[in-house]
Amino acid sequence: AQSVTQLGSHVSVSEGALVLLRCNYSSSVPPYLFWYVQYPNQGLQLLLKYTSAATLVKGINGFEAEFKKSETSFHLTKPSAHMSDAAEYFCAVSDLNTGGFKTIFGAGTRLFVKA
Amino acid sequence: NAGVTQTPKFQVLKTGQSMTLQCAQDMNHNSMYWYRQDPGMGLRLIYYSASEGTTDKGEVPNGYNVSRLNKREFSLRLESAAPSQTSVYFCASSARTGNTEAFFGQGTRLTVV
Repeated sequence: AQSVTQLGSHVSVSEGALVLLRCNYSSSVPPYLFWYVQYPNQGLQLLLKYTSAATLVKGINGFEAEFKKSETSFHLTKPSAHMSDAAEYFCAVSDLNTGGFKTIFGAGTRLFVKA
Repeated sequence: NAGVTQTPKFQVLKTGQSMTLQCAQDMNHNSMYWYRQDPGMGLRLIYYSASEGTTDKGEVPNGYNVSRLNKREFSLRLESAAPSQTSVYFCASSARTGNTEAFFGQGTRLTVV
């Protein structure tokens, strides 16, 4: 069965510092992987997705993620944090199960950015 | 563009009451989903509809029913609400299941007392 583990429910960085949000997945077949962001009182919106075309995926707002099959990881990074990056981030995996695809989300990591 | 519209935005129910959460999308998407979001647990899939005319259980379907009324609309029904169903509910849609982006509604905050 597919699953997603996000390491760290809260991450705090200083403005201008590197952002690293960790995601490990479990899947019995090659997965599709996603990162979504949620701002307060809003729904989720897509940051980026991996669909096997390239292992390094670039997304919106300067974020990128690298798919590492050997480590079953899909960590999200941004070289320099901005105050506007403060939000909750969700990693998600979608793979083909009996009856079709299901997208499963991790528990989320809340990013705090200090001035 | 409206995208995914959920109604209502807020609701308070008494234990045992029933209600239906409505969801509509205007993007001509085939697939629609209902998730619940609870602190520390992320989003958990309740039910989904890969295409019009089909529905399937997700991770936490107990206590819920769904109807894919047509391609645009996907409703979630609580037949007998329980305090454990207090949560924020999100409807989402995507062009198809698998490798496509899901678009989310603004959420419904439900409290069961």
